[in-house]
Amino acid sequence: EAGVAQSPRYKIIEKRQSVAFWCNPISGHATLYWYQQILGQGPKLLIQFQNNGVVDDSQLPKDRFSAERLKGVDSTLKIQPAKLEDSAVYLCASSPQGSGNTIYFGEGSWLTVV
Amino acid sequence: QKEVEQNSGPLSVPEGAIASLNCTYSDRGSQSFFWYRQYSGKSPELIMFIYSNGDKEDGRFTAQLNKASQYVSLLIRDSQPSDSATYLCAVTRGSNYKLTFGKGTLLTVNP
Repeated sequence: EAGVAQSPRYKIIEKRQSVAFWCNPISGHATLYWYQQILGQGPKLLIQFQNNGVVDDSQLPKDRFSAERLKGVDSTLKIQPAKLEDSAVYLCASSPQGSGNTIYFGEGSWLTVV
Repeated sequence: QKEVEQNSGPLSVPEGAIASLNCTYSDRGSQSFFWYRQYSGKSPELIMFIYSNGDKEDGRFTAQLNKASQYVSLLIRDSQPSDSATYLCAVTRGSNYKLTFGKGTLLTVNP
């Protein structure tokens, strides 16, 4: 079974530029999560989708971050404009519907803002 | 008060010893509790989850939950150098399975 796929794995951009990350969850997984993990901290949930609907985006900085999951499968997270403090690993995760104990993480997309 | 608190460490134990990792949480409505292991530069991987008060054992790992004290721990018996990693405690509340993580504890097992 293929895991959660993310791209790009690494990205370096200048502040005020934009960047987009893509995630393809495990086939059949209804729930998709985007987490932000800053160095030395635990992951923080940015947004959670159930199929193509948003369940929780309370910690998403909506003035600069946006995410979509148009067809209920893959998802894109965009940052525009980027700030230095956005330097982090962006982790995508997925789980089957109604299964909180089987959340699978992708390898992450590492962002450095200079 | 942070929602999930862990001692950031580092915690250093000799090979073969028992490593004890601790976590406290602030939300009494938390229902499910998870321990993830994260190697440097890698994504978190689930080790164990526990829902009920008491102990849950899986191989060399034992999770302990005390809801009255809002405390969850992870014991690693016969620690191996390959156990050296950051251990993340996470909790969920409600049916949306939103994981709230602590900062993690760095464990180093010395040969």
